[in-house]
Amino acid sequence: KAGVTQTPRYLIKTRGQQVTLSCSPISGHRSVSWYQQTPGQGLQFLFEYFSETQRNKGNFPGRFSGRQFSNSRSEMNVSTLELGDSALYLCASSRPVPGGSQYFGPGTRLTVL
Amino acid sequence: ELKVEQNPLFLSMQEGKNYTIYCNYSTTSDRLYWYRQDPGKSLESLFVLLSNGAVKQEGRLMASLDTKARLSTLHITAAVHDLSATYFCAVDTGSNYKLTFGKGTLLTVNP
Repeated sequence: KAGVTQTPRYLIKTRGQQVTLSCSPISGHRSVSWYQQTPGQGLQFLFEYFSETQRNKGNFPGRFSGRQFSNSRSEMNVSTLELGDSALYLCASSRPVPGGSQYFGPGTRLTVL
Repeated sequence: ELKVEQNPLFLSMQEGKNYTIYCNYSTTSDRLYWYRQDPGKSLESLFVLLSNGAVKQEGRLMASLDTKARLSTLHITAAVHDLSATYFCAVDTGSNYKLTFGKGTLLTVNP
């Protein structure tokens, strides 16, 4: 079974630009969550989608947004990039069953110059 | 606000020795997870603990959960170099897969 895939793997942008990251969950997984990982703040929850609906959102500014498509694939968008947005962005998918774990993709390394 | 604290944050140990990583959390939790992360890599799921007294073991790693004490432990038995990685615990309060992570424990196993 293929794992969670994320594209692109690496991205370099400049301040003020916007970026879109993509995540394809494991087949059959309908929940997709996004996390930001930085050396200073660690792993922080961004948002979670299930059946194209955002069910939960973390404490990030409105510049961070996401969506989920009918095939469960998800995208996140960051507008007006800031230097502090440089991070590893991880996507995780899971089946909505009790005790189910979240399976993480390889991540997208975003560098903002 | 849910807080998850791991200690120690850094752990250097000799091969063959035993040690325990602790994970405390501040509110009632439905699920507790342990993940491993190798440098430059993503997170690998190790254990999911669902109930008080739950214990799971895989190889040299054993995880347990005490929901009354709001404490989980990850015990390492007879460490080997391949266990060198960063270990994270994470808590899910039932809010639809919104995990709150600890800061991680960087484990280095020396020969």
